Amino acid sequence: EAGVTQFPSHSVIEKGQTVTLRCDPISGHDNLYWYRRVMGKEIKFLLHFVKESKQDESGMPNNRFLAERTGGTYSTLKVQPAELEDSGVYFCASSLIAGGVYNEQFFGPGTRLTVL
Amino acid sequence: AQRVTQPEKLLSVFKGAPVELKCNYSYSGSPELFWYVQYSRQRLQLLLRHISRESIKGFTADLNKGETSFHLKKPFAQEEDSAMYYCALRGVGDSWGKLQFGAGTQVVVTP
Repeated sequence: EAGVTQFPSHSVIEKGQTVTLRCDPISGHDNLYWYRRVMGKEIKFLLHFVKESKQDESGMPNNRFLAERTGGTYSTLKVQPAELEDSGVYFCASSLIAGGVYNEQFFGPGTRLTVL
Repeated sequence: AQRVTQPEKLLSVFKGAPVELKCNYSYSGSPELFWYVQYSRQRLQLLLRHISRESIKGFTADLNKGETSFHLKKPFAQEEDSAMYYCALRGVGDSWGKLQFGAGTQVVVTP
């Protein structure tokens, strides 16, 4: 089992460009989460999918961020246009559906985004 | 508003010495508390959770609701404990597992 995978591992773009991050969850995990760690600050929740539906997107910073999970498998997070403050490490995590019981979230290695 | 505070950004200890990582939280209710760890070049992983009340890799953490704390402790630090440690909270009722993290504490264990 490869675990949660993310692509790319590192992306360097210029301000104003577009970047798309991808996350492949563990097979069978219907919960998929996106988090972000900005330099020197805590890891912050961005949004949560249950299968292909957005369960909670309260952490999305603004409308420059668009997340999708077509078919309920992999997910993409697009930033358009990117700004300097978007730099950070973007983590994806997945877990089994729980029915009231918390199931462990398994994290991907993260994508380090640098906006110049 | 819920918040997780880890006051120490860096904790440097000698091998064999005790180590304690502080975590305080604010939450209007009964949260679930976790410790996550990220070793060098590895991904973030769950270390322990308060409801399991178990010791993992020699680490323990006790939830103190009166002091709203969930400090992580180990009596004898090992070099392999060097890592970034994050305290995290999940609100009860938020059954989908959204986590709120502290800023993290970098632990360096020197021989």
